[in-house]
Amino acid sequence: QSVLTQPPSVSGAPGQRVTISCTGSSSNIGAGYDVHWYQQLPGTAPKLLIYGNSNRPSGVPDRFSGSKSGTSASLAITGLQAEDEADYYCQSYDSSLSIYVFGTGTKVTVL
Amino acid sequence: EVQLVESGGGLVQPGRSLRLSCAASGFTFDDYAMHWVRQAPGKGLEWVSGISWNSGSIGYADSVKGRFTISRDNAKNSLYLQMNSLRAEDTALYYCAKDLGGTTSGVYYMDVWGKGTTVTVSS
Repeated sequence: QSVLTQPPSVSGAPGQRVTISCTGSSSNIGAGYDVHWYQQLPGTAPKLLIYGNSNRPSGVPDRFSGSKSGTSASLAITGLQAEDEADYYCQSYDSSLSIYVFGTGTKVTVL
Repeated sequence: EVQLVESGGGLVQPGRSLRLSCAASGFTFDDYAMHWVRQAPGKGLEWVSGISWNSGSIGYADSVKGRFTISRDNAKNSLYLQMNSLRAEDTALYYCAKDLGGTTSGVYYMDVWGKGTTVTVSS
């Protein structure tokens, strides 16, 4: 029941900047609900990466940044590093469905 | 240290039941809402269910509504998921996750995750 759409994959060379989009609708992101981002390294549980659209938990490098506008949000990774290879998911809340929703997920590959 | 440890997964036949548990430690369990999130093999994350701090507010994904029941025992610092009428499409790694807030109104996010327990539904 993914109502948030992300690109399946993005890639970049070490040191480059990549962005991941998260497109929702007027009943979730557009309704004012915050967007949060999770990083899932291979074989591990998801880890909170960005909360409240653009805030980083303690310990998350400032290479990761988030933004939100209208019915979409974005995650940017600058100075891409090999350890950033992972799956990334956005998450929000949908008021019409009354459920928490995750994005479809994006695999980041470091070339 | 804040920790969530899931248990109860396993191989079960279609139509049968299974009960998952999540043991919480390192924080005041009854202050926070809790969630179950699952991930089918090779697939993305899917929110399954959430419960407020006092069990007063509960929500389910349409895919499990009427079959799964979430509950908690604050005295035992534990979260549960009773899964009935299991289907092959319920096969997944089930994660327990802590909410930053006490309600399931979507205001906050999942700040702590367990390592998950695997459920396989097959004959």
